[in-house]
Amino acid sequence: DQQVKQNSPSLSVQEGRISILNCDYTNSMFDYFLWYKKYPAEGPTFLISISSIKDKNEDGRFTVFLNKSAKHLSLHIVPSQPGDSAVYFCAAGHGGQNFVFGPGTRLSVLP
Amino acid sequence: GAGVSQSPSNKVTEKGKDVELRCDPISGHTALYWYRQSLGQGLEFLIYFQGNSAPDKSGLPSDRFSAERTGGSVSTLTIQRTQQEDSAVYLCASSLRQGGDYGYTFGSGTRLTVV
Repeated sequence: DQQVKQNSPSLSVQEGRISILNCDYTNSMFDYFLWYKKYPAEGPTFLISISSIKDKNEDGRFTVFLNKSAKHLSLHIVPSQPGDSAVYFCAAGHGGQNFVFGPGTRLSVLP
Repeated sequence: GAGVSQSPSNKVTEKGKDVELRCDPISGHTALYWYRQSLGQGLEFLIYFQGNSAPDKSGLPSDRFSAERTGGSVSTLTIQRTQQEDSAVYLCASSLRQGGDYGYTFGSGTRLTVV
């Protein structure tokens, strides 16, 4: 059973618009969440994180929202740029334990 | 080094052969993780090392898989008697401490193809 789900395998967005990537988790013990971005032939790179004591964390064009009651988090990218085209992985962990990764969402930002 | 280094970047092996994949983490990072990504799949946890503690091997898919970390630094993932389903990108990551605020820094991975 997948503990971390990213139900949209792909997403296409026009340049300049908002990209919203969603992630759902099942384990209520998870208290730390990460987003990674992965380009082809490269390892994933850390993007942004959020702990369960917050419901929002912002870093430049990237904002992560956490809804603990719904066990849902989302990554917003505003404005989207062609260079944002990549696979985005959501990851969740508890107490510093190994993070569980979702299957990823491939974002395509169209010029 | 400046980042996590993995070698080889690509490996093609015949079914039944053993392979060794190497990971050189960021200097000073105490936690080291191995993940793999099969075609079209997410990142699957394999094993993690934290300092001198016994490794968490709970993600290893079979006893053909093993890993060691020598001197708290370089790690080697060994796959014995490779099978075609072992074909994947094997990613190593390290962090300053176990998970937490620092996330992981990943290497570029080793693409393993078993023919």
